[in-house]
Amino acid sequence: DTEVTQTPKHLVMGMTNKKSLKCEQHMGHRAMYWYKQKAKKPPELMFVYSYEKLSINESVPSRFSPECPNSSLLNLHLHALQPEDSALYLCASSSKPTTSGGPNYYEQYFGPGTRLTVT
Amino acid sequence: TQLLEQSPQFLSIQEGENLTVYCNSSSVFSSLQWYRQEPGEGPVLLVTVVTGGEVKKLKRLTFQFGDARKDSSLHITAAQPGDTGLYLCAGASGTYKYIFGTGTRLKVLA
Repeated sequence: DTEVTQTPKHLVMGMTNKKSLKCEQHMGHRAMYWYKQKAKKPPELMFVYSYEKLSINESVPSRFSPECPNSSLLNLHLHALQPEDSALYLCASSSKPTTSGGPNYYEQYFGPGTRLTVT
Repeated sequence: TQLLEQSPQFLSIQEGENLTVYCNSSSVFSSLQWYRQEPGEGPVLLVTVVTGGEVKKLKRLTFQFGDARKDSSLHITAAQPGDTGLYLCAGASGTYKYIFGTGTRLKVLA
């Protein structure tokens, strides 16, 4: 099973609202990711958690606040967003290193995304 | 800054035709992944290539990793409407970090 689930599927929020996006995986993956994807563009990395600790923050504004309560869950808390933050927010998780006789590599599996609209 | 350029950006072809999508960089990647994404959905992992010169086949899809691990290609034989989507390559850049390519939008007409 390579399923990553995300809720909600769609979210509309005003600029003064506080909301959260949720992501869950039960594959035993120890790295989890948040990406932002604008229309017709590739995903842009926002955050990476490794073993429940934040390991990468790609200079994301503080109005986005990630949280990893346990190894299966990843949240993204949203506050005071701007209309330009409207996008598809993707969660992913990464498998354990796999060695094929060469370098270790990780495979990412994505959830279906949350379509966020900020009004 | 590591960049992955894909070409072509857009491709519209008839069912049954063959096509090749390219993913190029001046940087070396330890591994490279290919994804297909449909509108409003998350990318779906198709394949991971790791060794320079490696060729992997997935039914009508053939993936190749360049000898120097800086480039990759995806060849689709006898394209079908179900192949329509956004094709993305992603190179591993350090631990847990992936650099995505610029994307190729494919439309296969019945």
